[in-house]
Amino acid sequence: SYEVTQPPSVSVSPGQTASIACSGDKLGDKYVYWYQQKPGQSPVLVIYQDTKRPSGIPERFSGSNSGNTATLTISGTQAMDEADYYCQAWDSSTVVFGGGTKLTVL
Amino acid sequence: QVQLVQSGAELKEPGASVKVSCKASGYTFTSFDINWVRQAAGQGLEWMGWMNPNSGNTGNAQKFRGRVTMTRDTSISTAYMELSSLTFEDTAVYYCARARSGSLHYYYYYMDVWGKGTTVTVSS
Repeated sequence: SYEVTQPPSVSVSPGQTASIACSGDKLGDKYVYWYQQKPGQSPVLVIYQDTKRPSGIPERFSGSNSGNTATLTISGTQAMDEADYYCQAWDSSTVVFGGGTKLTVL
Repeated sequence: QVQLVQSGAELKEPGASVKVSCKASGYTFTSFDINWVRQAAGQGLEWMGWMNPNSGNTGNAQKFRGRVTMTRDTSISTAYMELSSLTFEDTAVYYCARARSGSLHYYYYYMDVWGKGTTVTVSS
């Protein structure tokens, strides 16, 4: 079955750029989605179809996808962006989630 | 506004079954798949399966085949997920989520609206 892999944790200083990778075989041939989840809350979609932002998601969130790696980039990271981030792909009629990345803003 | 309202917390004994409901409002229930995703404490998101509320067709993760049943009642815009033969490892928060799907350059399938989750605790 298809798998996508994320680093368990990423740290960033406030105001700097955070990048979270999601890797999988020929991932660039699929769409990738990103969800943000804060403690005790439901996941929230922050990027869909590799690069698009849903209404209400700040412009500092962006995405890319090429080759075997998709990347979620948060520019000018704020303390409120500290959360778990999950990438997701669709393969063979199944939803595939990455293991999640804990973003720490310090 | 679009929302999914889930049923309340459940406490079950090992070997029992649990049925979680997910009531949709603010959109046409039969136009979007409903997915079920669970999350054990301190763990990541685990996809369980999808259901097309229009046709009733379902698909689920290999791990849950034979143990999960997804149904719906279109008259009340409600989806259900029943998980049988519960073990301690099934203790988790269970989410329902609406999915958007279709084809552009590639096929797309993602979840844009999530319920608040239902805590299922399996304990003797």
